[in-house]
Amino acid sequence: GENVEQHPSTLSVQEGDSAVIKCTYSDSASNYFPWYKQELGKRPQLIIDIRSNVGEKKDQRIAVTLNKTAKHFSLHITETQPEDSAVYFCAASNYGQNFVFGPGTRLSVLP
Amino acid sequence: EPEVTQTPSHQVTQMGQEVILRCVPISNHLYFYWYRQILGQKVEFLVSFYNNEISEKSEIFDDQFSVERPDGSNFTLKIRSTKLEDSAMYFCASSRPGLRINEQFFGPGTRLTVL
Repeated sequence: GENVEQHPSTLSVQEGDSAVIKCTYSDSASNYFPWYKQELGKRPQLIIDIRSNVGEKKDQRIAVTLNKTAKHFSLHITETQPEDSAVYFCAASNYGQNFVFGPGTRLSVLP
Repeated sequence: EPEVTQTPSHQVTQMGQEVILRCVPISNHLYFYWYRQILGQKVEFLVSFYNNEISEKSEIFDDQFSVERPDGSNFTLKIRSTKLEDSAMYFCASSRPGLRINEQFFGPGTRLTVL
């Protein structure tokens, strides 16, 4: 089955700096890769996703890149703000069904 | 904007008791899911449900778990005989029809505590 790894497990950045979180997956059949943000005690919220026919997608300060050959995808957050502090989960799935999540990255944006 | 809702927000039960967790998916969604998240750990897939039947389940979803869509709006997860290790946050999710790849929207979760 699919296995998703995520690095780093914790990340601290200064406000205004960029943050990059990387994930790798094992199943070449996976074709949908969402990123979720989870604030303490709250539900996971979809922030961006990418499909396997796209190499990069951007939404304001957030971007995701996908390298299908290497089976890895990354989340990039630019101009970080304190409200970006949360746990970020990547996931991989085949046509949006059974999501396999990574272990999460705790991002702290320091003022 | 419509959201997935879940009740109760927190459930405390004794080991061996049955619990039913309830979810109301977004009204035009047809795919439904349950996930669990043990405190401090990642979100884990339990089961997906479509067209009134289970479409996929993980190894976590053993015989003590069952799901049901008893009416047109609710989607439930039943744990027949709870164990201490069932203590976790349980998230329901739903996704839209019409797209081959469906974005999943999560509910706020039910925190289950088994004593």
